[in-house]
Amino acid sequence: NAGVMQNPRHLVRRRGQEARLRCSPMKGHSHVYWYRQLPEEGLKFMVYLQKENIIDESGMPKERFSAEFPKEGPSILRIQQVVRGDSAAYFCASSHSVAREDGYTFGSGTRLTVV
Amino acid sequence: GENVEQHPSTLSVQEGDSAVIKCTYSDSASNYFPWYKQELGKRPQLIIDIRSNVGEKKDQRIAVTLNKTAKHFSLHITETQPEDSAVYFCAARQAGTALIFGKGTTLSVSS
Repeated sequence: NAGVMQNPRHLVRRRGQEARLRCSPMKGHSHVYWYRQLPEEGLKFMVYLQKENIIDESGMPKERFSAEFPKEGPSILRIQQVVRGDSAAYFCASSHSVAREDGYTFGSGTRLTVV
Repeated sequence: GENVEQHPSTLSVQEGDSAVIKCTYSDSASNYFPWYKQELGKRPQLIIDIRSNVGEKKDQRIAVTLNKTAKHFSLHITETQPEDSAVYFCAARQAGTALIFGKGTTLSVSS
């Protein structure tokens, strides 16, 4: 089991470009969560998805950010027209289900730098 | 929604001493409380968790206690070692929702 796979590990974008972050959950996991971590800060919840459904996007900025988890393929966090303030580490986590109180398994993160 | 407060933000101890990190949560419906350890530049990793029907859980040198009435839970590390140095995060959630994390505690263990 390869664990939660995130790519790319590092991503550099110029202001105004788009950033696409990918997350493949652990085998058998159908729940995906995205978190943002700014330097010296904690893990801030962004969005919770199941296959083809957004369950909770209360942590997502209202503009420029979107997420999906299609029937086939990885979950994608998309940031349009990036600004310097978007520079952060973005972590994805997955779990088997929420009916069971499982801890999350985190990916290694994508470190986004906006120049 | 859930809000988790974590204290202290930094903690320095001598090797062999104990370390205690405390968290409070706001949503009385929360029933799952994990702790994660994050080393510099790495992913957060689950080290111990506790569910609402249990008051205390221990795993070797680490233990977690939960007081549901007061809505707080704590991480205890005994006989600390330099390799325990990391950032520790508490979190809380109820079934069907995402984990909400505290802001983290940077633990430094000096030898």
